[in-house]
Amino acid sequence: GDSVTQMEGPVTLSEEACLTINCTYTATGYPSLFWYVQYPGEGLQLLLKATKADDKGSNKGFEATYRKETTSFHLEKGSVQVSDSAVYFCALSEQGYSTLTFGKGTMLLVSP
Amino acid sequence: SAVISQKPSRDICQRGTSLTIQCQVDSQVTMMFWYRQQPGQSLTLIATANQGSEATYESGFVIDKFPISRPNLTFSTLTVSNMSPEDSSIYLCSVVLARTEAFFGQGTRLTVV
Repeated sequence: GDSVTQMEGPVTLSEEACLTINCTYTATGYPSLFWYVQYPGEGLQLLLKATKADDKGSNKGFEATYRKETTSFHLEKGSVQVSDSAVYFCALSEQGYSTLTFGKGTMLLVSP
Repeated sequence: SAVISQKPSRDICQRGTSLTIQCQVDSQVTMMFWYRQQPGQSLTLIATANQGSEATYESGFVIDKFPISRPNLTFSTLTVSNMSPEDSSIYLCSVVLARTEAFFGQGTRLTVV
């Protein structure tokens, strides 16, 4: 079955540091890939997505590129802010974008 | 976009009791989804709730333990029955609009003691 593996957290960074959260996946078909973010006390929000190989999703300074050859979708940001502190989930969908398979989530803590 | 209101946001319950979680969406949707997030684990799909038909449960989840109602296109409930400490999790409802984006409620944090 489908699965998503992402790096363990928490990831602790100082403000303005570079961020990479690794995500790899296993899927039988050609999935769409997503990053969701969950801020403290809130629900999950879509951060970015990519629907085919070599697509780059981007939003709020975050980027991720759909790499079919390495089955990866790593999340990157060049300069993190304290407000980026949250839990980040990598996910995929193979069913016409209805149900999602999630990774375990990575907590990011950014200190001033 | 969709706004999802989920109640309660958290609860502490005694083992052997049941809790019903409500999910209200501000637009009509065909399918609603219920997920569980156990401590330190990823989100796992429990079931898909379609209006006017029985919910479809994923492997490992059964209707007797997690009965679901879907009385109309904007509302659903998930009941966690005969709870045990292993049911302590965050439960989330979700909808997908126009096959473009999934929206989630803020979750219900359940602790069973």
